[in-house]
Amino acid sequence: EAQVTQNPRYLITVTGKKLTVTCSQNMNHEYMSWYRQDPGLGLRQIYYSMNVEVTDKGDVPEGYKVSRKEKRNFPLILESPSPNQTSLYFCASRTGTENSPLHFGNGTRLTVT
Amino acid sequence: GDSVTQMEGPVTLSEEAFLTINCTYTATGYPSLFWYVQYPGEGLQLLLKATKADDKGSNKGFEATYRKETTSFHLEKGSVQVSDSAVYFCALLGNTGKLIFGQGTTLQVKP
Repeated sequence: EAQVTQNPRYLITVTGKKLTVTCSQNMNHEYMSWYRQDPGLGLRQIYYSMNVEVTDKGDVPEGYKVSRKEKRNFPLILESPSPNQTSLYFCASRTGTENSPLHFGNGTRLTVT
Repeated sequence: GDSVTQMEGPVTLSEEAFLTINCTYTATGYPSLFWYVQYPGEGLQLLLKATKADDKGSNKGFEATYRKETTSFHLEKGSVQVSDSAVYFCALLGNTGKLIFGQGTTLQVKP
C-alpha cells in the first residue's frame, strides 16, 4: 500500500530534550515536506526537499532541522524543543511534478512542557 | 505574496443539506487550485483540483469551479452526509512552486 508513515503519533517531552520525528514514504517520490498545523493558522511549511541531499527552508524553519540522506526518509529534528513548538506535525510527499497531489502521513501530535 | 482565505467555521449542517465553503485567493499569474480534506485523526488527502480558469474539479459529489474573475474556488456539495464531517482546506500552487493552504474550515454534519 502506498503510504507516508510518521512516527511517533503522539509525543510528550520537556523543554530542551532533543527529539526526532521520522517520516518514510514508499512511493519513490522526489519531493518531501514537513508542515505544522495550528488552530486558525492552517498548515505552515517548515522545510522541504526536492530530492536526496537537497533541502530548503519553508515559512517557519526556526528551531527545526531536517536531512535527506535517502529518497524514502525525511526526519524532522528538534535540537532543543520549546513550548511554542507544541503542535500537530505532518510529513508529505509527491512526485517531482509540481501539480501532483501531496500524500500526507497521519500526523504527529507533539507536546513540549 | 500569494494567499488563500477560507470562510471561518465551524459549519454545522443537517444530513442532506446543501454545502458551500467559500474560498478566495490572491496570486500573480495563473495558479492551480486545490481542495484537501482531513478526516479525524488522519492526514490531509486531495479531494479535487482545477488547473485553469473555468475548470471544474469534482470528486465524491463535491465540486468547485475555478473563477478567475472573482478569484474564487468555492466548494459545494448538493447533499452532505455524516461521513463528510471533516476539516476542508483550500490551497493554491502559484509561481513560487509552493503550495499555500488556507486556515481550514471544519464541517460537522448531524444526522
